[in-house]
Amino acid sequence: GAGVSQSPSNKVTEKGKDVELRCDPISGHTALYWYRQSLGQGLEFLIYFQGNSAPDKSGLPSDRFSAERTGGSVSTLTIQRTQQEDSAVYLCASSLGTGSLDYGYTFGSGTRLTVV
Amino acid sequence: KQEVTQIPAALSVPEGENLVLNCSFTDSAIYNLQWFRQDPGKGLTSLLLIQSSQREQTSGRLNASLDKSSGRSTLYIAASQPGDSATYLCAVRQGSGGGADGLTFGKGTHLIIQP
Repeated sequence: GAGVSQSPSNKVTEKGKDVELRCDPISGHTALYWYRQSLGQGLEFLIYFQGNSAPDKSGLPSDRFSAERTGGSVSTLTIQRTQQEDSAVYLCASSLGTGSLDYGYTFGSGTRLTVV
Repeated sequence: KQEVTQIPAALSVPEGENLVLNCSFTDSAIYNLQWFRQDPGKGLTSLLLIQSSQREQTSGRLNASLDKSSGRSTLYIAASQPGDSATYLCAVRQGSGGGADGLTFGKGTHLIIQP
């Protein structure tokens, strides 16, 4: 696609429910990133994929968070048993590649998650 | 752990003025630094990317400088316009640049340009 697409754009869920957030990166972008932006806070790095592999999951806030990527394209971020502190904007970004060349990031518009 | 600080947190200036946004980081061993713009309800738009070996980058009315040894970057906006109103975010990338490092962001400067 022309840009990074995230869905849903807004999600309101009850505490304790599971939610799934989707990111569709730019076609051909091998690297994909998830960030979280909480009210009044900076962006927090969550996880990175190179292809379908996530080398380091230590940025995920708790074991209720998981992410996967299939076919080197679409990624889903799943939050189980949501808590109110999970309320934030979840941003996805993709880039052409990593290593010695840095092409910069393209961000999606984000999913605003509200846990009530 | 890398920390990125942006000053000021908010800035309001009349249209036409030149202005400078500041960014500082605690660990100078960065791979690169990016300035982004975020409009309300939107994602981030990359403005300028400075590699660690570079001193500055320019794009139109924007100029970003990098002093890696002192842990500082500035974003200079010339002849500001109301359309420049947005939140400006500074982010640094650590290590060898491999994506696993991710970006560390500042909390941003909320800029308002008064018509």
